[in-house]
Amino acid sequence: AQTVTQSQPEMSVQEAETVTLSCTYDTSESNYYLFWYKQPPSRQMILVIRQEAYKQQNATENRFSVNFQKAAKSFSLKISDSQLGDTAMYFCAFRVESNYQLIWGAGTKLIIKP
Amino acid sequence: ETGVTQTPRHLVMGMTNKKSLKCEQHLGHNAMYWYKQSAKKPLELMFVYSLEERVENNSVPSRFSPECPNSSHLFLHLHTLQPEDSALYLCASSPVTGATNEKLFFGSGTQLSVL
Repeated sequence: AQTVTQSQPEMSVQEAETVTLSCTYDTSESNYYLFWYKQPPSRQMILVIRQEAYKQQNATENRFSVNFQKAAKSFSLKISDSQLGDTAMYFCAFRVESNYQLIWGAGTKLIIKP
Repeated sequence: ETGVTQTPRHLVMGMTNKKSLKCEQHLGHNAMYWYKQSAKKPLELMFVYSLEERVENNSVPSRFSPECPNSSHLFLHLHTLQPEDSALYLCASSPVTGATNEKLFFGSGTQLSVL
């Protein structure tokens, strides 16, 4: 079965600190895409960053970067210089080539404290 | 308006009521989705429409009935729901279905409470 595990239900850090959210997944497929979505209190889910499995270089989007370890099936999200607006639920997900459905994790609630 | 809009934002209904959730996208996308989000659980895909045709129905109970009259509008008709159906219902759209790297665009959801 294809699954996503986010082992940290909740995290809290001070503003301006760096925080890493963990995500592991399981699939027997070799080509897939990995995603991190953010759901702020407004509830509107937005894409933070995505990574193609056959690309070794880790994706970055401004303060957001990933650490992709394909052999370990790990896809962690690093947020640098965290801001109050980063407070949200963060969901890890992946999609394989043979099935367009996204497989989601249960989410990590991130709180940025002033 | 731009993006994906869902109405109502909140809905409280009794088990014998009939209600509908509405989703509208102004992005020119061809695919639309209904997801159920329950606390501390992964998102559950309920229905997928591509060019107004249903392409996925993930074993959803018949008390949930989707309707896609055109590529911009999606409805979820609800009747005789159960308390365990209480959840946040999210609508999403994407340019097409089937692209592995495809990004989903979400609405703000309808928070449904079934009494």
